[in-house]
Parts: sequence; structure tokens; C-alpha cells
Amino acid sequence: EPEVTQTPSHQVTQMGQEVILRCVPISNHLYFYWYRQILGQKVEFLVSFYNNEISEKSEIFDDQFSVERPDGSNFTLKIRSTKLEDSAMYFCASSATGLAGGIAIDNEQFFGPGTRLTVL
Amino acid sequence: AQTVTQSQPEMSVQEAETVTLSCTYDTSESNYYLFWYKQPPSRQMILVIRQEAYKQQNATENRFSVNFQKAAKSFSLKISDSQLGDTAMYFCAFRGSNYKLTFGKGTLLTVNP
Repeated sequence: EPEVTQTPSHQVTQMGQEVILRCVPISNHLYFYWYRQILGQKVEFLVSFYNNEISEKSEIFDDQFSVERPDGSNFTLKIRSTKLEDSAMYFCASSATGLAGGIAIDNEQFFGPGTRLTVL
Repeated sequence: AQTVTQSQPEMSVQEAETVTLSCTYDTSESNYYLFWYKQPPSRQMILVIRQEAYKQQNATENRFSVNFQKAAKSFSLKISDSQLGDTAMYFCAFRGSNYKLTFGKGTLLTVNP
């Protein structure tokens, strides 16, 4: 069964350093997402991506964050200068389709196993 | 903006018994989807069940079923014949006319032997 994969599973970095979290979505999917979960808290939407551009982003997704699909398979989240409060689990998700006629159609978002980011 | 509320931070149930997890949401949209996700200690997000708002019939997946009350904006999850492997954090989630999922704060369910 196809699945979303993420690397690394755990990333430890120093405050102020840049990190890149990598995701390989399911191959025929067109919509990609990043979510984060601070320990003990709910999962929060960061950004959605379609057709090589951001579809929507949350207020969390500030100028320190960027996403990219550098090739046909990878989808990356970059944090330019990490802060202590960026420590969280970061989940990538993908779905086959998104909107049809302006209505979100039935398209399950498949989640990857997550990358635990620890900022020291 | 949509909000999702899970009022039970923790629940416990005896193995083989039935438990119901509550979820309410707020939205002005008429077309949307609701989901329950399970997050075991591994922290993987696993889809348990989903409900389309335009369907009146409650969704069912094996031991998992929902009670969807659209007028009340309520979406509870019932787990029948609870198993030890059901121990996990359960998140209720909403998806409206955009792509993103809005999650509740979660309910930690413990199934006791």
C-alpha cells in the first residue's frame, strides 16, 4: 500500500540553524500539506501546496518557513532560523484531489509518520 | 473560522466495553467533511472514520461508528468491543471548502485490561 514517508524521523538542531524536513508524498497525489504538533497539543495546519505554489498558509507559517517541491517526488519544509518554540512533531500529508467546483471533495489526506524536531 | 472542540481530555474504558468520544464544531459552511484520527504512542496519524456532511447516514467502520448530528454540530465516535490496541489519542477534525484540516485538542483514551 502506498504511503507518505518522511525523513529524518528525529532532527536535533541548535537555535538559529536552518533545517530542512523532507517528505515523499504518495506518487499520484497532487496536494501536499504540512502540519505541526507541539508536544501535548493539537495538530495545527501550517501550509498547503498545489501546482508548485502555496494554496493556503496559517499565521504560524511566517517568513521563517518555506516549502518547495524540488523534483517530482520530494516535498520539503525549510525553517531558516530555528527557534526553541519550533520544537514539535512535523507531519507531511498528501491527497489525490482537492477542490471540484469550489467544493472540497472527498479526498483523504494521508499522513506521514512525522519528523520530531528538537531545537536546543 | 472553523473550530473543533473535544471536551474530554481523557477517558478510560474496560476492554470489550463500549466508549463514546465527543466532538462539537462550529462552521457556517454547509458542505464539509468530518474525521476521527487515531494517534497511538508512535504518533503516527491514522484515519479511523470520516463523515460527509451531506450524508444523513452515520458512517461505520467495523467497531467504529459515529453519531453525526448536523443541526447540533456534533460528531461523536463510538468504539464498540474496545481492544487494548485502541489505546491512543483521538482527534476530531473538520475540513471545509478549503483543503486544510482543523483539529480538536484530542481525547486520550486508555483501554484497561
